[in-house]
Amino acid sequence: NAGVTQTPKFRVLKTGQSMTLLCAQDMNHEYMYWYRQDPGMGLRLIHYSVGEGTTAKGEVPDGYNVSRLKKQNFLLGLESAAPSQTSVYFCASSQIAGGLGNEQFFGPGTRLTVL
Amino acid sequence: GENVEQHPSTLSVQEGDSAVIKCTYSDSASNYFPWYKQELGKRPQLIIDIRSNVGEKKDQRIAVTLNKTAKHFSLHITETQPEDSAVYFCAAIGAGSYQLTFGKGTKLSVIP
Repeated sequence: NAGVTQTPKFRVLKTGQSMTLLCAQDMNHEYMYWYRQDPGMGLRLIHYSVGEGTTAKGEVPDGYNVSRLKKQNFLLGLESAAPSQTSVYFCASSQIAGGLGNEQFFGPGTRLTVL
Repeated sequence: GENVEQHPSTLSVQEGDSAVIKCTYSDSASNYFPWYKQELGKRPQLIIDIRSNVGEKKDQRIAVTLNKTAKHFSLHITETQPEDSAVYFCAAIGAGSYQLTFGKGTKLSVIP
């Protein structure tokens, strides 16, 4: 099993450009999450999904959109990139909701730089 | 919403010594507290977790304690080794929530 994979690993964008980050998991997990990690800030939840076709906002959703058309995939979109979105983005998945005490498995991360 | 404070932000110990990282949380309804380890350039990985109905949990050299009354929990690493050097994150979440709230991390350096 590959676990959680992310595409691409690195990306450089210019301000105003758009892009989509792809997350895929092969563990048949119901729940998927997108986080951003900035120095000294820990991991902050952007959006999450509790199942195919559903999405919800997390702590820092502004400037991002998501879609979960297939259970195994969770896409994160930046419509008009800004330098403040320079960060490392991690996708994660879990079998059941985190509040019930279930491990979240993380992908390898995508390092995004917006110039 | 939940707020998780983590201390210290950096910690240096000699190999073989113990390391303790402390976290406090604000939401008394939180009931699950995982700890993640992140090596440089790698993804976070769960190393131990504890639920609110348990006061302490051990797994070889690592242990976690929880004080629900004071709303704080701690990670204890004994007999530290150089491979323990990493950033450690605590987190908290409530039973009715999908949002895991992380502390800002502790960079642990184990000096050989």
